[in-house]
Amino acid sequence: LAKTTQPISMDSYEGQEVNITCSHNNIATNDYITWYQQFPSQGPRFIIQGYKTKVTNEVASLFIPADRKSSTLSLPRVSLSDTAVYYCLVGDKGNQGGKLIFGQGTELSVKP
Amino acid sequence: DVKVTQSSRYLVKRTGEKVFLECVQDMDHENMFWYRQDPGLGLRLIYFSYDVKMKEKGDIPEGYSVSREKKERFSLILESASTNQTSMYLCASSPGTLASTDTQYFGPGTRLTVL
Repeated sequence: LAKTTQPISMDSYEGQEVNITCSHNNIATNDYITWYQQFPSQGPRFIIQGYKTKVTNEVASLFIPADRKSSTLSLPRVSLSDTAVYYCLVGDKGNQGGKLIFGQGTELSVKP
Repeated sequence: DVKVTQSSRYLVKRTGEKVFLECVQDMDHENMFWYRQDPGLGLRLIYFSYDVKMKEKGDIPEGYSVSREKKERFSLILESASTNQTSMYLCASSPGTLASTDTQYFGPGTRLTVL
């Protein structure tokens, strides 16, 4: 299973765009890239998932280059409520019951 | 909306006690997971189950066992609790290997303190 590396923490201000990059050099052909968000005292919540190129939903965008060895989660115009820990995961949807590995995550702090 | 519930938000036990953490999901998901979360270590997978009565070890199964007698319920058991098992325990479920997505849905967590 591919290991991921992401920054431990990031700071931002309200209204800015935030980009969090995740490295996954050993990603396998069948692996998908998934991002979760976790607020204090809550379980993680799914944000976005992709395989290649770009995926966008109402919450975020996910950019995946052609070699898929990294990915970037983009949060447009963050607000104070976006302060959370963001986890990047890679995993194979077909095998091992969808087993995913969570790294340490990136603690995003949004300031007024 | 998928709902994953855990039996307790906070639990205090003594060393050597047998501890049961219960998790229930209401979306007929095939897969269920137990994680523990500790500062600086992120989430670590203890056990997972992809069917009733089936279980697989995760990354840190030592000191834990699990039970899945019904599809909707997945229990984590600490046979003899120790202080190093003080942690936040998170349960999750996902649709299954044939589903179009393996999105995991998490419960609110149980903060266990072992004295």
